[in-house]
Amino acid sequence: EVQLVESGGGLVQPGRSLRLSCTASGFTFADYSMSWFRQAPGKGLEWVGFIRSKVYGGKADYATSVKGRFLISRDDSKSIAYLQMNSLKIEDTAVYYCTRDSRIVGIYFGGQGTLVSVSS
Amino acid sequence: AIQMTQSPSSLSASVGDRVTITCRASQDITNDLGWYQQKPGKAPKLLVFAASSLESGVPSRFSGSGSGTDFILTIDNLQPEDFATYYCLQDYIYPPTFGQGTKVDIK
Repeated sequence: EVQLVESGGGLVQPGRSLRLSCTASGFTFADYSMSWFRQAPGKGLEWVGFIRSKVYGGKADYATSVKGRFLISRDDSKSIAYLQMNSLKIEDTAVYYCTRDSRIVGIYFGGQGTLVSVSS
Repeated sequence: AIQMTQSPSSLSASVGDRVTITCRASQDITNDLGWYQQKPGKAPKLLVFAASSLESGVPSRFSGSGSGTDFILTIDNLQPEDFATYYCLQDYIYPPTFGQGTKVDIK
């Protein structure tokens, strides 16, 4: 069974940093691109960015709203994807989800998300 | 980015009803579309991928159809546990983009 466990969320002041982790199990992590999405309170879902598998170069791309502030990385030996969030803004407050991305079987949300609250 | 227009934004239905939700893409996305169910405080749950393929474990009363720009999610014989918000998501090209959501509540 595919499982994704997000962790690392919490309350942080504007301008500070936070690193989220996504620990995967139940599939060959190295074979898949991984995305991060977020959902602000009472709002819809927004894609944050993704990292390709090493087979496709391992490069990350980002939504315009977070480009230059957020960094996605991966450790295939540990089956973990990371979201490093710097220069956090109040509008980054959201539940953050990681997903397993596949061109064949779609984008799979396998975790419960982790809440990031940015407030002074 | 590809725009996904989902309708209706909300609907009221009764147990046993058939419900249809539509999604229109701003350009051809072939069949690269998923449908998701989300309940309050929970992660989106994948129901249908590749426009019409049912995810493992999802009841057969859910079905998806369409290709190109127009897609439909149908729920036959609506059950109490189906009252939730539904989203379409195109994964044809990054950034993946969601429809605005359809909230299905009890009439």
